[in-house]
Amino acid sequence: NAGVTQTPKFQVLKTGQSMTLQCAQDMNHNSMYWYRQDPGMGLRLIYYSASEGTTDKGEVPNGYNVSRLNKREFSLRLESAAPSQTSVYFCASSEGPSSNQPQHFGDGTRLSIL
Amino acid sequence: DQQVKQNSPSLSVQEGRISILNCDYTNSMFDYFLWYKKYPAEGPTFLISISSIKDKNEDGRFTVFLNKSAKHLSLHIVPSQPGDSAVYFCAASSLHTNAGKSTFGDGTTLTVKP
Repeated sequence: NAGVTQTPKFQVLKTGQSMTLQCAQDMNHNSMYWYRQDPGMGLRLIYYSASEGTTDKGEVPNGYNVSRLNKREFSLRLESAAPSQTSVYFCASSEGPSSNQPQHFGDGTRLSIL
Repeated sequence: DQQVKQNSPSLSVQEGRISILNCDYTNSMFDYFLWYKKYPAEGPTFLISISSIKDKNEDGRFTVFLNKSAKHLSLHIVPSQPGDSAVYFCAASSLHTNAGKSTFGDGTTLTVKP
């Protein structure tokens, strides 16, 4: 009963390095999302994928790219990490864009950029 | 401009008493509202939701009230328990204009004292 699995759980990068955050869900959900949460703030949407094969920008997409590899997997890539991207990143999934069903979240990736 | 606001960053209540968490929104197109609960080092989990066609939804100790004219919703927890201590996020979505994506408030940290 894994739900939404994110890897890695923790990562420290140097400015300018690149990395990919992985996310997989086993609930056969159509929609997937990437958020970031900064201290004292809510979840801000970076990118989302309404269904397999589609991706769209959210509220704060600059500096990120995404890939919806298949229905299960949705990855987030930082091409050239900056200290402003230090945050906790959450992946989520839900049934689909035509549904108001709640989102299911992973436990997050804590990313520090020095 | 923040469309979903939780104006109280924190709330402390005694075990057994009522906890009331508040949320205000500005976008009149929102038609579905959700509350999520988040423990440290975990992802948010869905708690309760309400559609804009209702003004109240109850699930055990948790009740959500919606006042559309005031663009205000509240979450009542009765009786409060120490295990309810967590961060609570209010979220709003619009099925028809936002493809089901949610906008989150900044969260309220609830502490229930034994």
